[in-house]
Amino acid sequence: DTAVSQTPKYLVTQMGNDKSIKCEQNLGHDTMYWYKQDSKKFLKIMFSYNNKELIINETVPNRFSPKSPDKAHLNLHINSLELGDSAVYFCASSPQAANTEAFFGQGTRLTVV
Amino acid sequence: DQQVKQNSPSLSVQEGRISILNCDYTNSMFDYFLWYKKYPAEGPTFLISISSIKDKNEDGRFTVFLNKSAKHLSLHIVPSQPGDSAVYFCAARGSFNDYKLSFGAGTTVTVRA
Repeated sequence: DTAVSQTPKYLVTQMGNDKSIKCEQNLGHDTMYWYKQDSKKFLKIMFSYNNKELIINETVPNRFSPKSPDKAHLNLHINSLELGDSAVYFCASSPQAANTEAFFGQGTRLTVV
Repeated sequence: DQQVKQNSPSLSVQEGRISILNCDYTNSMFDYFLWYKKYPAEGPTFLISISSIKDKNEDGRFTVFLNKSAKHLSLHIVPSQPGDSAVYFCAARGSFNDYKLSFGAGTTVTVRA
């Protein structure tokens, strides 16, 4: 009964490939997020959707594109992967945009070789 | 430009003693602060929070203290238990529709038996 689930958990891919990470939440939350944890362990927000509408779009390369088909899903598509994209990506959700007590998925460790 | 800093990357404490984790921030517009706990291969889980109108919030063994004038908060865990061994992230959010959470780099706590 995972509240926020991401797939895959591990992803190893070559430079230049395109890949997607999927996220689903069964909590009935309105808001979903993508965070990136880099090699220095900082968690940085990338995107946030509220009821399928993009509300936070941080300065990330436009090779990263989030897609929210419905408010329970927020997928992350990455084009032309680069070595520097290697990181752990966390999906999260919260009841509302102003509620920052977010529930996180277990993370997707992306390794670009 | 890290606005939330956890200057101690690690902390080792004996079971039953107090763990004190520190966090400093630079943005005076932050008005809500959270602590998250993270086990290996899992996503962060919400632990405790405090609003800027308070200087202390307690939840069982966990107490967060906020010193706004010093832009400093701390998390006290009393008594520390082996299950508390994890990485603890401090996070902060601004006001007036600033929904983004800024995270520190985390402090790894090891509770020795």
